[in-house]
Amino acid sequence: GENVEQHPSTLSVQEGDSAVIKCTYSDSASNYFPWYKQELGKGPQLIIDIRSNVGEKKDQRIAVTLNKTAKHFSLHITETQPEDSAVYFCAAMNYGGSQGNLIFGKGTKLSVKP
Amino acid sequence: NAGVTQTPKFRILKIGQSMTLQCTQDMNHNYMYWYRQDPGMGLKLIYYSVGAGITDKGEVPNGYNVSRSTTEDFPLRLELAAPSQTSVYFCASVRDLGDGYTFGSGTRLTVV
Repeated sequence: GENVEQHPSTLSVQEGDSAVIKCTYSDSASNYFPWYKQELGKGPQLIIDIRSNVGEKKDQRIAVTLNKTAKHFSLHITETQPEDSAVYFCAAMNYGGSQGNLIFGKGTKLSVKP
Repeated sequence: NAGVTQTPKFRILKIGQSMTLQCTQDMNHNYMYWYRQDPGMGLKLIYYSVGAGITDKGEVPNGYNVSRSTTEDFPLRLELAAPSQTSVYFCASVRDLGDGYTFGSGTRLTVV
């Protein structure tokens, strides 16, 4: 089955700097890759996702890149702000027909220092 | 829409007790999921459902049971609580595969 590795487990940056979180996946058939942000005491919230037919996607300060050949994808946050501090999870899924479940990485705790 | 609603938010159980974690969604989503989250371990899938009347095991189903009698509700049952079931439990739903899941706010369960 699918296995998702996420690095680093913790990341500390200065406000205004960029942050990059990387994930690798094992199943070459995976075709959907979402990123979730989890604030303290809350459930994960989808912030951006990418499908396998696209190499990059941007939404304001957030971008995700996908390298299918290397089987890895990354989250890029530019101009970080204190409110970006949270735990970020990557996930991967091979969806086809009526089956498919998201497999999550173990998370990255991002701290943005003012 | 209220989204995905989980109750209770917190619960302390004694070893051997049973309880049901409730999950309801009002988005007419077909797919529903139960995850548990342990510190530093990410989210592990317990059970999932692709529609009313259909459920299947995930990665860590032992000690749990589910049912899906309606599209809206997907309760998770713990029959004989054990300390290893101390965790935060999240319910999630999605209309179609290949879309982002919507998560509830979680139930923090402690078994003592």
